[in-house]
Amino acid sequence: AQTVTQSQPEMSVQEAETVTLSCTYDTSESDYYLFWYKQPPSRQMILVIRQEAYKQQNATENRFSVNFQKAAKSFSLKISDSQLGDAAMYFCAYRSGGAGSYQLTFGKGTKLSVIP
Amino acid sequence: KAGVTQTPRYLIKTRGQQVTLSCSPISGHRSVSWYQQTPGQGLQFLFEYFSETQRNKGNFPGRFSGRQFSNSRSEMNVSTLELGDSALYLCASSSGLAGGPYEQYFGPGTRLTVT
Repeated sequence: AQTVTQSQPEMSVQEAETVTLSCTYDTSESDYYLFWYKQPPSRQMILVIRQEAYKQQNATENRFSVNFQKAAKSFSLKISDSQLGDAAMYFCAYRSGGAGSYQLTFGKGTKLSVIP
Repeated sequence: KAGVTQTPRYLIKTRGQQVTLSCSPISGHRSVSWYQQTPGQGLQFLFEYFSETQRNKGNFPGRFSGRQFSNSRSEMNVSTLELGDSALYLCASSSGLAGGPYEQYFGPGTRLTVT
């Protein structure tokens, strides 16, 4: 079974600064997808960014980018120019590349605080 | 496109009762997945439905069940409620297709409190 580990339960960052959230995963599969989700206090889960394992290029979405290290099974999220609205729980998630299911396996999350 | 909707948003039930939660996916999406979120266990996969068939199931007791209708709307049912079933129940919608797209979009959740 796949596991996802987020080793930083809490982090903080100054507004306008850059912060990196860590995620590692364990899998024997070669085809899979990785995601970062944001859950603000409203509890609505919002997709931030996704990465296909077969792509070597790191995904980017505006101020959000990932550092995907397939051999190390590492998938960190970098948030640049942090804003107050970035304060939330961030979850790393794994999905098998198999066609049979869209099941996501989540890490325990990292609570990000943004300091004005 | 309208997002994923879940009803009700909040629910208070008593131990031993049963409850039904509803999820309407994004138009055109055929896959609906359910997750339970608790402070202790985090986010755990319950089951996924695709084209009215359960495609995958997590490690939950048989008291947790679900179904999907022809319009892709899904319901999950919890019978004989226990205090430990108190949680945020999240529904996620996706295309469900083998070729993707693979993103899952979540609803706002149903907060269930069992007393």
